[in-house]
Amino acid sequence: ETGVTQSPTHLIKTRGQQVTLRCSSQSGHNTVSWYQQALGQGPQFIFQYYREEENGRGNFPPRFSGLQFPNYSSELNVNALELDDSALYLCASSLVGTGNTEAFFGQGTRLTVV
Amino acid sequence: AQTVTQSQPEMSVQEAETVTLSCTYDTSESDYYLFWYKQPPSRQMILVIRQEAYKQQNATENRFSVNFQKAAKSFSLKISDSQLGDAAMYFCAYAYAGNNRKLIWGLGTSLAVNP
Repeated sequence: ETGVTQSPTHLIKTRGQQVTLRCSSQSGHNTVSWYQQALGQGPQFIFQYYREEENGRGNFPPRFSGLQFPNYSSELNVNALELDDSALYLCASSLVGTGNTEAFFGQGTRLTVV
Repeated sequence: AQTVTQSQPEMSVQEAETVTLSCTYDTSESDYYLFWYKQPPSRQMILVIRQEAYKQQNATENRFSVNFQKAAKSFSLKISDSQLGDAAMYFCAYAYAGNNRKLIWGLGTSLAVNP
């Protein structure tokens, strides 16, 4: 167990709807990164939050947005869902600002858009 | 742009034998990290081993070791004495040692361990 928890574990939404995924980071970590993993693919970086500010963004449209809270937990919001948004969404927590490079992952949220 | 390539979609190994998974990457940076992650059916990414680019010595973690060839931009994973629990998807990943250290991933290699 990594101490990183994601909720919900599974979700089914209809095209055009909005969804919020949640991530509780490991105690002591200040950074949360979100990744999208389509079936049969490697994860793709969506964005990262460091001390409540966005700290880097991948090639995802603005309808993908996020938040980080003072306790360093995070949310990923996706508006106007499309079928291609169906994927496993992974959250990773880490402690940036030290020499430690390890990111700890949650178990993911499986999103299905129908 | 940095890229990571895993050219073996599937591999299999007999229990107790040794297997090597291949990974190549492309980057113009000199300071970076390389990782191997394991993703079992439970979906959670588990760090297997990591390598700092500035270190010439290959990383080892128990039965897992890497062959890091910086000039060739190659980073292979060797699993010795394979166990049934090693069966999983294995992903090679790269992170620039800069500000956000975002991970760039390969497509993965599915490893089957035969009893």
